Amino acid sequence: GDSVTQMEGPVTLSEEAFLTINCTYTATGYPSLFWYVQYPGEGLQLLLKATKADDKGSNKGFEATYRKETTSFHLEKGSVQVSDSAVYFCALSVSYGQNFVFGPGTRLSVLP
Amino acid sequence: EAQVTQNPRYLITVTGKKLTVTCSQNMNHEYMSWYRQDPGLGLRQIYYSMNVEVTDKGDVPEGYKVSRKEKRNFPLILESPSPNQTSLYFCASSLGTVNNSPLHFGNGTRLTVT
Repeated sequence: GDSVTQMEGPVTLSEEAFLTINCTYTATGYPSLFWYVQYPGEGLQLLLKATKADDKGSNKGFEATYRKETTSFHLEKGSVQVSDSAVYFCALSVSYGQNFVFGPGTRLSVLP
Repeated sequence: EAQVTQNPRYLITVTGKKLTVTCSQNMNHEYMSWYRQDPGLGLRQIYYSMNVEVTDKGDVPEGYKVSRKEKRNFPLILESPSPNQTSLYFCASSLGTVNNSPLHFGNGTRLTVT
């Protein structure tokens, strides 16, 4: 079946460091790919998305490129801030039924 | 403001006492879904609904019921809660018409069953 694999962390970085969170997927169809962020005590919020190969999603300084050849959608940010501390989820959706598949989440802690 | 509203935010109950967690969205979304989030297990889908009166099981439906009588509401019912249903629950909705429609999440309900 469809699945998403991502580094589980926790990831601890200093402020202004470069961030990469790896995400790879397996899908029978042609998925749309998403990154969601969960801040403490809140629900998941959409961070960015990409719907076809070579699309780049971006938001709030975060970027991810849909790589069909490597079935990957790695999340990157050039300079993290303390306020980026959260749990990040990679997800895919392949069907009209919107059956999302989520990765396990990666906890990011950014230290001042 | 477009949002998904869940109530209550926190709930402590005892084994076997029926409870309902409400979920409402004001975006006229067709698709709604319930997830539970557990440490080490990530998000797992309980039930989903593609439209009014249309519901289907997700990955972990045992011990739960749902209904979709109106487009905006999608309550989660635990007829006889057990301690293994202690978890953080999220309701979500989306347009549902294409697979690139993102999910919008509520703020969660933390349930403890003793």
